[in-house]
Amino acid sequence: GENVEQHPSTLSVQEGDSAVIKCTYSDSASNYFPWYKQELGKRPQLIIDIRSNVGEKKDQRIAVTLNKTAKHFSLHITETQPEDSAVYFCAAPREGGSQGNLIFGKGTKLSVKP
Amino acid sequence: NAGVTQTPKFRILKIGQSMTLQCTQDMNHNYMYWYRQDPGMGLKLIYYSVGAGITDKGEVPNGYNVSRSTTEDFPLRLELAAPSQTSVYFCASRNWGTEAFFGQGTRLTVV
Repeated sequence: GENVEQHPSTLSVQEGDSAVIKCTYSDSASNYFPWYKQELGKRPQLIIDIRSNVGEKKDQRIAVTLNKTAKHFSLHITETQPEDSAVYFCAAPREGGSQGNLIFGKGTKLSVKP
Repeated sequence: NAGVTQTPKFRILKIGQSMTLQCTQDMNHNYMYWYRQDPGMGLKLIYYSVGAGITDKGEVPNGYNVSRSTTEDFPLRLELAAPSQTSVYFCASRNWGTEAFFGQGTRLTVV
């Protein structure tokens, strides 16, 4: 089954700087990698996802990159703003592929200081 | 579309009491899940279901039970509440290869 490791556990940046969070996975058959943002006291919500047929995907200030050879994927947030402060989770399918359960990383608490 | 709806939002239980956390989704999703999230921690899978009539254990199933009689509903049952079950519980659903949608969570305290 899949194993997902996420680093760092906490990240503090100044407003306007970039933030990068990295996850590694173990199952080479996995091909769907979502990122969730969880604000304090709220539910996790998808912010971006990537499938293994592409190496990078962007949505405004957020991008995700995927390195299938090294089995890692990263979340990049540029021009960070205080409202980006939250816990971010990466995930991968438990049994590989894109189906089934999502196994989540332990989360990264991002703090953006004004 | 209401998405994924959980009830109740908050509950305090005494040790040994039982309760059912309700979860319903209106997106016709095949997969449904129950996760628990302890303070400052990640999401741990309790139980999941791939469709009506089919359920299976996740990482931390002890002390819980589930059923999936319809596509829409996936209740989580706590039979003998223990302090270790104090947590925030999230129900989620997804379809093949798509994102997971989460309910708003149930904050449970066992005293």
